[in-house]
Amino acid sequence: ETGVTQTPRHLVMGMTNKKSLKCEQHLGHNAMYWYKQSAKKPLELMFVYNFKEQTENNSVPSRFSPECPNSSHLFLHLHTLQPEDSALYLCASREGTRTNEKLFFGSGTQLSVL
Amino acid sequence: GQNIDQPTEMTATEGAIVQINCTYQTSGFNGLFWYQQHAGEAPTFLSYNVLDGLEEKGRFSSFLSRSKGYSYLLLKELQMKDSASYLCAVNPTGGYNKLIFGAGTRLAVHP
Repeated sequence: ETGVTQTPRHLVMGMTNKKSLKCEQHLGHNAMYWYKQSAKKPLELMFVYNFKEQTENNSVPSRFSPECPNSSHLFLHLHTLQPEDSALYLCASREGTRTNEKLFFGSGTQLSVL
Repeated sequence: GQNIDQPTEMTATEGAIVQINCTYQTSGFNGLFWYQQHAGEAPTFLSYNVLDGLEEKGRFSSFLSRSKGYSYLLLKELQMKDSASYLCAVNPTGGYNKLIFGAGTRLAVHP
């Protein structure tokens, strides 16, 4: 248990569906992240929020829309996805911005787009 | 460009020692992390190196050479539960939000 909880664990959706991924952290951290993990590829940073403000958007297509209503919750809204978007989506949190601070990851949402 | 290389897969025997290498080319360097990820689970922190040398933590040790852009994770007295993927990640200069990850090394420990 890392203190970061993601739901759902698995999601299958069609290309015309709209769905949302949820992440919650109970660690009192101030920074939250979305990563994409595809098979045999490095983790790709998607979005970063610091103190609820988006500070990074790593050239992510607009069909992915993040939302951070407070420092404990993070959402990723999905619409009109493509089959190549199938991957494991990981949420992470970090206490602050010091370079030696580690990320705490959730177990991820395994997404399949049909 | 920024690049991190590590072997895709490794196998080892229970009770043995295994070394997982990681080489990196990044725009500056502010530390290197190793994470462990069991199948279907969250990556979890193992170690952090920012200065050259060896950091030992129980059965796991991590080494860094900044001049060579090289690190390794050493696992001793291997156990079956050590079967997992091991991710190397580098913090480039000014990039506290942008950890650069390698693709991970999948380690299989056999009896």
